Amino acid sequence: GAVVSQHPSWVICKSGTSVKIECRSLDFQATTMFWYRQFPKQSLMLMATSNEGSKATYEQGVEKDKFLINHASLTLSTLTVTSAHPEDSSFYICSARSRGTGRSNEQFFGPGTRLTVL
Amino acid sequence: GQNIDQPTEMTATEGAIVQINCTYQTSGFNGLFWYQQHAGEAPTFLSYNVLDGLEEKGRFSSFLSRSKGYSYLLLKELQMKDSASYLCAVWHDYKLSFGAGTTVTVRA
Repeated sequence: GAVVSQHPSWVICKSGTSVKIECRSLDFQATTMFWYRQFPKQSLMLMATSNEGSKATYEQGVEKDKFLINHASLTLSTLTVTSAHPEDSSFYICSARSRGTGRSNEQFFGPGTRLTVL
Repeated sequence: GQNIDQPTEMTATEGAIVQINCTYQTSGFNGLFWYQQHAGEAPTFLSYNVLDGLEEKGRFSSFLSRSKGYSYLLLKELQMKDSASYLCAVWHDYKLSFGAGTTVTVRA
C-alpha cells in the first residue's frame, strides 16, 4: 500500500524558534499534499493544500507567513512553523494524494508529528 | 461553512454491534470516507462511499444516502482493539472536511 512518512515524529522547542516538519511519500508520487492540525480531543483541521511546484493554498484563518509550506518535488513537502509559540503546540499530520489510484480522492496519512513549544 | 456531525461518544460490549451515524452539509460532495484513529496516531482508512448504498468490508460496513446527507459506519463483532476514534470525512472542493470524531469504547 501507499506509505507516507513524517519526520520528526515529535519535537520540543523553545518559544520563538522555527521548526521544520517533513512529509514524504515513499512509494508513490503525490500530486497533492495536505497539512492538518489536530488539537487534543478535536478533529483534524485542514491548514493548507500544496501542489508540487506551485504555491500552497491556505485555509481561512491560517497565517501563510507563519506556516511556510514548500512542495518541491512529487515526494516531499515541508511545513515550517516559524517563531513557534506555546499555542502552536499540536499534532501536525500530512497526507498525500496519489496519482492514478483507483479511489482518486483517497488520501494516505503520515504518522503525525507532535510539536510541543515551551 | 461545512457541517459534519457525528456523536461524541459511544460505548458497547465486546462481540456486539455499534452503528456510528454521520450527517453532513457541505458545499459539494465527491465522496465520504470513514477513518479510524487511535490516540496519538494518524487516521487509517476504513471505507469510502461515493454512490448510495452499503459497502461491506469484513466486520466493517458503511452506508451512504446522498439525498439525506447521511452515512453510517457499522462495526460488527466488536473487539477490544476497536476502541478508538472514528472520523467521518467528506471530500468536496478538492479537500477533506472532517467531523469531530466519535470515540468508541469497547467493554469486556
